[in-house]
Amino acid sequence: DAGITQSPRHKVTETGTPVTLRCHQTENHRYMYWYRQDPGHGLRLIHYSYGVKDTDKGEVSDGYSVSRSKTEDFLLTLESATSSQTSVYFCAITGSEGQPQHFGDGTRLSIL
Amino acid sequence: AQTVTQSQPEMSVQEAETVTLSCTYDTSENNYYLFWYKQPPSRQMILVIRQEAYKQQNATENRFSVNFQKAAKSFSLKISDSQLGDTAMYFCAFIYTGNQFYFGTGTSLTVIP
Repeated sequence: DAGITQSPRHKVTETGTPVTLRCHQTENHRYMYWYRQDPGHGLRLIHYSYGVKDTDKGEVSDGYSVSRSKTEDFLLTLESATSSQTSVYFCAITGSEGQPQHFGDGTRLSIL
Repeated sequence: AQTVTQSQPEMSVQEAETVTLSCTYDTSENNYYLFWYKQPPSRQMILVIRQEAYKQQNATENRFSVNFQKAAKSFSLKISDSQLGDTAMYFCAFIYTGNQFYFGTGTSLTVIP
């Protein structure tokens, strides 16, 4: 299995608080992604990174920011969490163009 | 814009039978890649199969095979000899240059004993 670790695995927090999710990889892959998964919507891309300090927005980026200061770490921050951001969040990595993505185990985030 | 459509939200199949999950996509690109992923109740995302658009031969992986129709922009997944462990959500995904993946909304497959 690809070495991808998401932390935390579960989190419950309150509306208005900042939240940071971490994705750590040991594969030295160039590309890293953050998705959210909601019933009826499949996987929707939040942000992705194609290198250290190189990131771009996905289709549902509002309310989220990311940072990648090292190849192995990709952080997703909810600046001021809202209940609509309650979801399961997945990190994924891929090494080169056309190769499949490998996923972390997901983070279940509940915002009350 | 690239889109991926899975028109069957739910399907069921008897154990040992064959089932086909459909996927269509829309793109103006000529070179791209297609994937099927499986997500069992454990929530893990598991790669099932990969197809390169420039290859006419359909990909196969054991009991899993695809029917890739490039002109029709269709990429269906056939599961033969269905097993209880095949019960899962299945996602079709598409990628072209830039490594941005597009996923369908998924098909929930239940294998009935």
